[in-house]
Amino acid sequence: SQQGEEDPQALSIQEGENATMNCSYKTSINNLQWYRQNSGRGLVHLILIRSNEREKHSGRLRVTLDTSKKSSSLLITASRAADTASYFCATILYGQNFVFGPGTRLSVLP
Amino acid sequence: SQTIHQWPATLVQPVGSPLSLECTVEGTSNPNLYWYRQAAGRGLQLLFYSVGIGQISSEVPQNLSASRPQDRQFILSSKKLLLSDSGFYLCAWGRGGNGYTFGSGTRLTVV
Repeated sequence: SQQGEEDPQALSIQEGENATMNCSYKTSINNLQWYRQNSGRGLVHLILIRSNEREKHSGRLRVTLDTSKKSSSLLITASRAADTASYFCATILYGQNFVFGPGTRLSVLP
Repeated sequence: SQTIHQWPATLVQPVGSPLSLECTVEGTSNPNLYWYRQAAGRGLQLLFYSVGIGQISSEVPQNLSASRPQDRQFILSSKKLLLSDSGFYLCAWGRGGNGYTFGSGTRLTVV
């Protein structure tokens, strides 16, 4: 069964606003990662958060992890048109393969 | 530095024709390699992964096969393509539990 599930499936915001995407998963994990995919391209690794961490920052990205709720959120602050892409969460339990969610399509309107 | 190359970028093939997609990795040895398929607007489905030369694990039974003839080469093949094989195929190199580096993908359209 699908491990990671992002919501919303699609999100449209105005440039300058913040975008929040959520990911829920079902089993224990060692870490959770967020990836970005521009249309028709490969995925690019954005940020990794380990199961013993609660929050990480990277530039305009902020990721939180709540292992008790089995959920994570990705916040993009001060969004730009160039942030338009699909965003995927992926979870891993060591010894197994990563499992990707279906993604959130983010549209940032100028 | 480590890089991953995947080709071709786009491919249009008739039903029943064979398929060969190639992926190579540079700058690392004994990588874990993966083939994923992504349907339009959907998430990634793991097709095959390999932890070494000649070692292939299949996640989903289907019309495709994979081979790893060299340490840094991973090939996705089919003897006879079906319409349902259309999709976006991604090769990835796994960096242990630290994530993947993805190739740029191949858009396959079976007509």
